Amino acid sequence: GAGVSQSPSNKVTEKGKDVELRCDPISGHTALYWYRQSLGQGLEFLIYFQGNSAPDKSGLPSDRFSAERTGGSVSTLTIQRTQQEDSAVYLCASSLAQSGGSRNEQFFGPGTRLTVL
Amino acid sequence: AQSVTQLGSHVSVSEGALVLLRCNYSSSVPPYLFWYVQYPNQGLQLLLKYTSAATLVKGINGFEAEFKKSETSFHLTKPSAHMSDAAEYFCAVSWNTGFQKLVFGTGTRLLVSP
Repeated sequence: GAGVSQSPSNKVTEKGKDVELRCDPISGHTALYWYRQSLGQGLEFLIYFQGNSAPDKSGLPSDRFSAERTGGSVSTLTIQRTQQEDSAVYLCASSLAQSGGSRNEQFFGPGTRLTVL
Repeated sequence: AQSVTQLGSHVSVSEGALVLLRCNYSSSVPPYLFWYVQYPNQGLQLLLKYTSAATLVKGINGFEAEFKKSETSFHLTKPSAHMSDAAEYFCAVSWNTGFQKLVFGTGTRLLVSP
């Protein structure tokens, strides 16, 4: 597609429910990133994928958070047993490559706003 | 830990005035540096980036930034503010650690008054 897309754009859920957030990267981009934007915490890196592998998951805040990527394309971020502190905007980005240089420019999607009641 | 500092959570300018948004990073290792803009209810859009070429980088919408290694700074400027520049601006840094994790500053909201 023309850009990174994310769905849903907004998600309201009750505490304790599981949610899935989807990211469709730009076609041909091998690297995919998830970030979280919340009040008081700013923009935080969560996880990145190179192809279908996630070499670094150190940014995931707890074991309730997981992510996968299939076919080197779509990625899903899953939050189990949601808590109110999970409320945030979840941003996805993709880039041509994960190495340094000009190919590392990350293109961001519009985000999914998650509200946990 | 490596960090990025943006001085001033809010900056107010009049239309036509100079815009200066400050960004400092914590490492002596030359990084890749980025400025992103976020308009309300939208994702992040890249304004400009520094990748060890010219130290003065020109971006979109008339913005530019200068990399100063001695000051570990990458301040964003625009000679004349427009109303449409009102948005939140994020400085981001990555180090060539094998993948391009971006470390963001806390953001500066630019307010432009008529």
